[in-house]
Amino acid sequence: DIQMTQSPSSLSASVGDRVTITCRASQSIRSYLNWYQQKPGKAPKLLIYAASSLQSGVPSRFSGSGSETDFTLTISSLQPEDFATYYCQQSYSTWTFGQGTKVAFK
Amino acid sequence: QVQLQESGPGLVKPSETLSLTCTVSGGSISSYFWSWIRQPPGKGLEWIGYIYYSGNTNYNPSLKSRVTISVDTSKNQFSLKLSSVTAADTAVYYCARGGFTYAYNYYFYYMDVWGKGTTVTVSS
Repeated sequence: DIQMTQSPSSLSASVGDRVTITCRASQSIRSYLNWYQQKPGKAPKLLIYAASSLQSGVPSRFSGSGSETDFTLTISSLQPEDFATYYCQQSYSTWTFGQGTKVAFK
Repeated sequence: QVQLQESGPGLVKPSETLSLTCTVSGGSISSYFWSWIRQPPGKGLEWIGYIYYSGNTNYNPSLKSRVTISVDTSKNQFSLKLSSVTAADTAVYYCARGGFTYAYNYYFYYMDVWGKGTTVTVSS
């Protein structure tokens, strides 16, 4: 199985901050990496697919980068509605999620 | 606009089989992958498996011996069966559509439409 490791597991930030979340795969997954946002009590929402493609309707402050084993999700200017948990997910082989990164209010 | 709705018992006894159905509305079940994902209380997401509309399946190796996902295209539904459940299978269960994009000579897969989730508790 391909293991996905996110860092940090949690972070505190303020509105307007630039936030970066990292996801590392245990082997190369090319660009088969997706990012999701989940708010409490809600289903996850797709933000980024294929490592860097923005899903339709997702604000442009969200961006993704990386390939092979190292990937990054960046929120350029954190907004109040962005406080949530973020998950990476690989679709290169049997799908797996990272453990999640909780973005909390500082 | 495609919508997904999970349905099934909210309480299952240990050692029995958990059965859930996901109904797809606003679009056809054809030409996509259809996934099940679960989330134990206070924990992260776990992918259970998917089925292609044609019937091909792929399961999480850790659950493969207990999981069956099937599709009924005539009803626009797909289903999950998880056998021999224990308390560790207590979770919110989500169904999701597996979309794909063709780029750079590759197909990229992702889950772009999700149901709201249904809570299943395993307890006697």
